[in-house]
Amino acid sequence: GAVVSQHPSRVICKSGTSVKIECRSLDFQATTMFWYRQFPKKSLMLMATSNEGSKATYEQGVEKDKFLINHASLTLSTLTVTSAHPEDSSFYICSARGQAKNIQYFGAGTRLSVL
Amino acid sequence: EDQVTQSPEALRLQEGESSSLNCSYTVSGLRGLFWYRQDPGKGPEFLFTLYSAGEEKEKERLKATLTKKESFLHITAPKPEDSATYLCAVRGGGATNKLIFGTGTLLAVQP
Repeated sequence: GAVVSQHPSRVICKSGTSVKIECRSLDFQATTMFWYRQFPKKSLMLMATSNEGSKATYEQGVEKDKFLINHASLTLSTLTVTSAHPEDSSFYICSARGQAKNIQYFGAGTRLSVL
Repeated sequence: EDQVTQSPEALRLQEGESSSLNCSYTVSGLRGLFWYRQDPGKGPEFLFTLYSAGEEKEKERLKATLTKKESFLHITAPKPEDSATYLCAVRGGGATNKLIFGTGTLLAVQP
């Protein structure tokens, strides 16, 4: 299957700082990328959808000024958690889908811990 | 509203004990039903996509089937390494690109 690389896998930061998470599609062009958040023992919660070169579409209840998403190229999307607080601690997962296939491939996830 | 329900929430099997996981769905214009496997602390790993009723797909000990209302993931003679959470998702025919996920089935296979 296609490969989606997500970095870092784990990050610990102080409250008030910003954290950037990268998501790359390694062997296909990702026309659409998705960012999810997952709480312990829960399913994936979609945060936002982004198409290359366009502004991201955020799900209801997700603060776009807090979770900045950039999808500047067909292989890279970034999620920046701005002014992180302990309640932002979670498991964040990116996903990518190419134009040719209907399948979404997922990154390995990033565990964010805000102290 | 598109909806996905998975059952059971958790399943414990002995090694070699075959069973099935269920995914019931309601969606307007199905554009794919997807099965993923998720290990603890990892992102979901793609397993299968099914598009029309009657379709079946197999991979090693797993077989996915699809009807107009539900999908089954059959696990034949499971091994401990099959232990994981199995997620089902659907993509509907509306304007949204979103996958709608179920809450998953946590499978534990004991040696």
